[in-house]
Amino acid sequence: SQTIHQWPATLVQPVGSPLSLECTVEGTSNPNLYWYRQAAGRGLQLLFYSVGIGQISSEVPQNLSASRPQDRQFILSSKKLLLSDSGFYLCAWSAGAAVNEKLFFGSGTQLSVL
Amino acid sequence: KQEVTQIPAALSVPEGENLVLNCSFTDSAIYNLQWFRQDPGKGLTSLLLIQSSQREQTSGRLNASLDKSSGRSTLYIAASQPGDSATYLCAVRSSGGSNYKLTFGKGTLLTVNP
Repeated sequence: SQTIHQWPATLVQPVGSPLSLECTVEGTSNPNLYWYRQAAGRGLQLLFYSVGIGQISSEVPQNLSASRPQDRQFILSSKKLLLSDSGFYLCAWSAGAAVNEKLFFGSGTQLSVL
Repeated sequence: KQEVTQIPAALSVPEGENLVLNCSFTDSAIYNLQWFRQDPGKGLTSLLLIQSSQREQTSGRLNASLDKSSGRSTLYIAASQPGDSATYLCAVRSSGGSNYKLTFGKGTLLTVNP
């Protein structure tokens, strides 16, 4: 069966520090991968999605970047965190490019930038 | 631009009651609508996915309906239990533009009291 791992679960970082969040998927190949952010009182916002190794699409301009160095690995990064980067970050995957595939989420990372 | 609204924002019911959660969307050009459950501080769990050609989907005590032309979906929970307490989110995958993107509502916080 397929599983998705996301770490760390919580992270407290000072403003201006770098960030690296990692997500891996097991039990499937060539998944579509996604990074979402959930801020208090707001809906989920799609940050990045990837349909293959090295292929990253950004939905909104921001202080963050994403990379997909391996088929089932998705990394969210920042060189210098801002206060506004605080939030709950969720990695997700879906099977291939079919539009009627379900979306499956990781357990999330609560990021607090102080 | 697709917008998804969920009403009510919060709902509190006694155990055993049947209840309905509502989701509306502004653009009826969708591939599907998906209902999720989110426990506090956790990721999202997919409950049901209704394709645009379908009217409803059922899983156990859950039944989701879709009226694409009117831009509405409902999630019916029968015989509610305290374990059903969570935030329920709906999301639509639009058929125009980037079909990788799901647009989420802000969710309904459900509390089932024993």
